[in-house]
Amino acid sequence: DGGITQSPKYLFRKEGQNVTLSCEQNLNHDAMYWYRQDPGQGLRLIYYSQIVNDFQKGDIAEGYSVSREKKESFPLTVTSAQKNPTAFYLCASSMVGETQYFGPGTRLLVL
Amino acid sequence: KQEVTQIPAALSVPEGENLVLNCSFTDSAIYNLQWFRQDPGKGLTSLLLIQSSQREQTSGRLNASLDKSSGRSTLYIAASQPGDSATYLCAVYGGATNKLIFGTGTLLAVQP
Repeated sequence: DGGITQSPKYLFRKEGQNVTLSCEQNLNHDAMYWYRQDPGQGLRLIYYSQIVNDFQKGDIAEGYSVSREKKESFPLTVTSAQKNPTAFYLCASSMVGETQYFGPGTRLLVL
Repeated sequence: KQEVTQIPAALSVPEGENLVLNCSFTDSAIYNLQWFRQDPGKGLTSLLLIQSSQREQTSGRLNASLDKSSGRSTLYIAASQPGDSATYLCAVYGGATNKLIFGTGTLLAVQP
């Protein structure tokens, strides 16, 4: 089964805690992306990576970090510096310049 | 800076009606434009991708058009069904930025 998976589906964060969202793809795509979706604001790009061991900041990277040690994996860490982390987080992958395929999303809630 | 606007923000139609969703963008130097569907609490599903050199794309009851010079795209849904109820998002990809810029979406409800 080819596709893109995200885990967990729901994640709860306590004050001052770092949490990591998982994103894995077996589509052999070079590029991977993290978006944040808030009600009424559409999707905003957090980070993206077009090749292993390289990534770039998107429009709202503050308070987030990523790594791209493997082509298949692009985990996102929401750090304690992100003061308003409650949102729906979507991961996507693509060949560069082609259609992006999205995972099912992770909803992050703050306790 | 590229901005993408979708009108209307919400739309409710009776089953069987043909409908048009609108998308406009401010910078015409795009590489392609995509339409996505999002069901509540789910990820995005790609519906249609139009390259900058193309005028339209069709898939089943869906037809998307692109007028790059005027910065507009439309998504036409024929013979709407309750199963079409979802949020529809358009996004433009600019080669210079290597990023998809999304509109805020149109929430469609098709009443049986």
